Amino acid sequence: AQTVTQSQPEMSVQEAETVTLSCTYDTSENNYYLFWYKQPPSRQMILVIRQEAYKQQNATENRFSVNFQKAAKSFSLKISDSQLGDTAMYFCAFGTSYGKLTFGQGTILTVHP
Amino acid sequence: NAGVTQTPKFRVLKTGQSMTLLCAQDMNHEYMYWYRQDPGMGLRLIHYSVGEGTTAKGEVPDGYNVSRLKKQNFLLGLESAAPSQTSVYFCASSISGLNSPLHFGNGTRLTVT
Repeated sequence: AQTVTQSQPEMSVQEAETVTLSCTYDTSENNYYLFWYKQPPSRQMILVIRQEAYKQQNATENRFSVNFQKAAKSFSLKISDSQLGDTAMYFCAFGTSYGKLTFGQGTILTVHP
Repeated sequence: NAGVTQTPKFRVLKTGQSMTLLCAQDMNHEYMYWYRQDPGMGLRLIHYSVGEGTTAKGEVPDGYNVSRLKKQNFLLGLESAAPSQTSVYFCASSISGLNSPLHFGNGTRLTVT
């Protein structure tokens, strides 16, 4: 079974600054994906970024990028130029066969003006 | 373009009552999933389906049943609700599982008293 751990229950950052959210996982599988999802107060689950485990290059999506360390089983999310709209709960997730996801506990991110 | 629609959005049940949550997707996706979200625990997979007429157990299936009689619909049933089933329930779908992103519904908040 897979486990996903987010060790930071809450984080805060000033607008326009950079913040990094941590995530570690444990698995014996070789073929998997990793994801970061954002959940704003509206409760909607929004995909932020995803990383294929077989790709060494770190994924980026505009202001969002990941630091994927496969040997260390670490998958952190960096948000650059933070905006007020980035305030949300962020979930790290591990994806395996049939698209089943295992989620971490979540990190509440607050962006202050 | 509706995407994934969950019905109802809110529901209050008494212990022992039954109910069915409906998930409908209009994207012709093969895979569908039911998750529950509890505070401090992220989302956990209840049941999933890899195609019309198929269902399989996830991480926390006890107390729930599902059916996928039509490709576009995935029903989650509670035969005898318990307070431990108070949660927010999310339905999701994807085209083909592992290497395609999940599309989530907006969730159903269920309270069992």
